Amino acid sequence: SSELTQDPAVSVALGQTVRITCQGDSLRSYYASWYQQKPGQAPVLVIYGKNNRPSGIPDRFSGSSSGNTASLTITGAQAEDEADYYCNSRDSSGNHLGVFGGGTKLTVL
Amino acid sequence: QVQLQESGPGLVKPSQTLSLTCTVSGGSISSGSYYWSWIRQPAGKGLEWIGRIYTSGSTNYNPSLKSRVTISVDTSKNQFSLKLSSVTAADTAVYYCAREDSGSYFFYLDPWGQGTLVTVSS
Repeated sequence: SSELTQDPAVSVALGQTVRITCQGDSLRSYYASWYQQKPGQAPVLVIYGKNNRPSGIPDRFSGSSSGNTASLTITGAQAEDEADYYCNSRDSSGNHLGVFGGGTKLTVL
Repeated sequence: QVQLQESGPGLVKPSQTLSLTCTVSGGSISSGSYYWSWIRQPAGKGLEWIGRIYTSGSTNYNPSLKSRVTISVDTSKNQFSLKLSSVTAADTAVYYCAREDSGSYFFYLDPWGQGTLVTVSS
């Protein structure tokens, strides 16, 4: 079982704002990173650190964190944002291991 | 920019060893303070972190796979490799390699390779 917990599915109306969350004890010590994965493609990093976007990622993607919960917010969701989203961080063992959340399927209506 | 490409057999027999290589291009695998990682994804399922290696040879492995996994690095070839022994059908997945950047409070994987499907079947 994953040490990072995500809702399996979330939906949002086109142009509206959606928040995808990730919960885990390790998030009290580490920022989560977030990945977008479309069918048949490799994951793509969209948010890392406190709230950093790699080059080429639209500014409608943002990240935040509070306590044991990290959030990915898409402000003004577009049809092309429909994808699976995974959070990723260290595990809570202190052994510098990686762990992923189970993923959230985002549907844009 | 740095690019990663996985390579290796697409079909492995049960009980044998899965071997994959990730070739790094566009930069030296030894430059910067990066770890080099393997991740896998069974069809229709989520991502699983397998492990990572630093160019010094230091490794960390997923405890659930630790007894069967070996990750190594060949800096002269700008490559790192994954070996997974005693495979079963449960090891059938798309295998990705990725570069890890991390610090005291952050950890992320970028870029990723395109992934390679490995099927375990007789």
